Amino acid sequence: DIQMTQSPSALSASIGDRVTITCRASQSINTWLAWYQQKAGKAPKLLIYKASNLENGVPTRFSGSGSGTEFTLTISSLQPDDFATYYCQQYSDFSTFGQGTKVEV
Amino acid sequence: QVQLVQSGAEVKSPGSSVKLSCQVSGDTFSTYATSWVRQAPGQGLEWMGGIVPVFGKADSAQKFQDRVTITADEATSTVFMELTSLRSEDTAIYFCTRGGGKSWYLFWGQGTLITVSS
Repeated sequence: DIQMTQSPSALSASIGDRVTITCRASQSINTWLAWYQQKAGKAPKLLIYKASNLENGVPTRFSGSGSGTEFTLTISSLQPDDFATYYCQQYSDFSTFGQGTKVEV
Repeated sequence: QVQLVQSGAEVKSPGSSVKLSCQVSGDTFSTYATSWVRQAPGQGLEWMGGIVPVFGKADSAQKFQDRVTITADEATSTVFMELTSLRSEDTAIYFCTRGGGKSWYLFWGQGTLITVSS
């Protein structure tokens, strides 16, 4: 299985901050990577697919980059609705997810 | 709009089995994959397996290959996931989602809580 490691596991931030989350794959996954936002008790929401493609309707303050084994999700200016847990997912081989990054006040 | 509606919460005893359902509407059910992803309390997401109904054959993560069976009923546009030999570590929310093992997931069911307890 391809292992996905996210960092940090949690971070504290304020409204307007630039936030960056990193995801590393145990082997190259090209750009077969997605990012999700999840709030308590809800299903994950797709933000980014194929490493850098913004899903329709997702605010442009979210962006993704990277290829191979290292990827980042950036929130350019944190908004109140962005406090949540974020997961990366590789789908180069059967899907595996990172352990999550909780963004809190 | 694609919708996935899952069956309700259940409480099961250790060693028993559970069979969950996920009814899909709004797209071509048979030719597109549906997967199951679970989330234990306070934990991350874990892909369990998926199926493309027209092909019939399901794929599953190695961890679950001995205990999970995924099937589909094209007449009712429903995907089923049976998990056997339940243990306390299987307590989780189980989501169905559109996409296979090599896909991102845009559409999700509401989730089904399975509690395994004696």
